Amino acid sequence: EVQLLESGGGLVQPGGSLRLSCTASGFTFSTSAVSWVRQAPGKGLEWVSTISGRAGSTYYTDSVRGRFTISRDTSKNMVYLQMNSLRAEDTALYYCVKAFFYYDPLRTFDYWGQGTLVAVSS
Amino acid sequence: QSALTQPASVSGSPGQSITISCTGTSTDVGSYNYVSWYQQHPGKAPKLMIYDVSIRPSGVSDRFSGSKSGNTASLTISGLQAEDEADYHCSSYTRSNTLLFGGGTQVTVL
Repeated sequence: EVQLLESGGGLVQPGGSLRLSCTASGFTFSTSAVSWVRQAPGKGLEWVSTISGRAGSTYYTDSVRGRFTISRDTSKNMVYLQMNSLRAEDTALYYCVKAFFYYDPLRTFDYWGQGTLVAVSS
Repeated sequence: QSALTQPASVSGSPGQSITISCTGTSTDVGSYNYVSWYQQHPGKAPKLMIYDVSIRPSGVSDRFSGSKSGNTASLTISGLQAEDEADYHCSSYTRSNTLLFGGGTQVTVL
C-alpha cells in the first residue's frame, strides 16, 4: 500500500524557516518523482515543487524559487522541503504527492498524503 | 502564471449530468493532453479521477469522463450521486515545465 506521511509543519514568524519531511513507502521510491502541493485555507490547490527520481531534477513554482529547496534521501525514502524567508502567503496545508509516471514528473499525481499545516504569522 | 479558470460552483439533482470547465491558455491546456482532475471531499486529500484529459485510473467510476477542446478541458459527471458532492480541481502541465491548478469547483447535489 502506497503511503506518504508528511511532518514538520507548524507556526513560524514571517521571515522564518521550516523544513517539511515526507516519508514514503509502498512503491519504488528511487525511481519515483515526488512533489509538494499546497492548499491555503478555503482555497484551491497550488503546485509548489517537484523532484524527479534517479536524476533528482528539481522544479519550482515562481513564487517559491530561491526561497524553497526540495531534496530527497533515497536511503531513507524521504523527501524534504526546506522553506526559508517564509511569508504570510505561504500559509497552507502542504501535501506530499507521488507522480503517476516516473518519466513525466509533472504529468499527474496518483497518491497524496494527508498534509502538514504551515502557518506563517507574527 | 495565472491559475486555470474553473467555475466556483456547479450543482445538479441526483441522476442528472453536470459538466465542469477548466480554461487555460495555448501554453498549457491548449498545448498538451496532460490535464488531470482531482476530487476532494471536505477535510480529505485529493483523489485522482481523470488523467491525460480522459483516462480514468483503475477503480474510478465510469460516470466520470473528461474531454478537451482548444484551451478548455471539461469533466462530466453522469448519473449524479450524493457521494459526488465534493470539490473538483483540474491541473495542466505547461510549456514552462511547471504545473498549474484551477481554483477548484464545488459540486453540490441538490
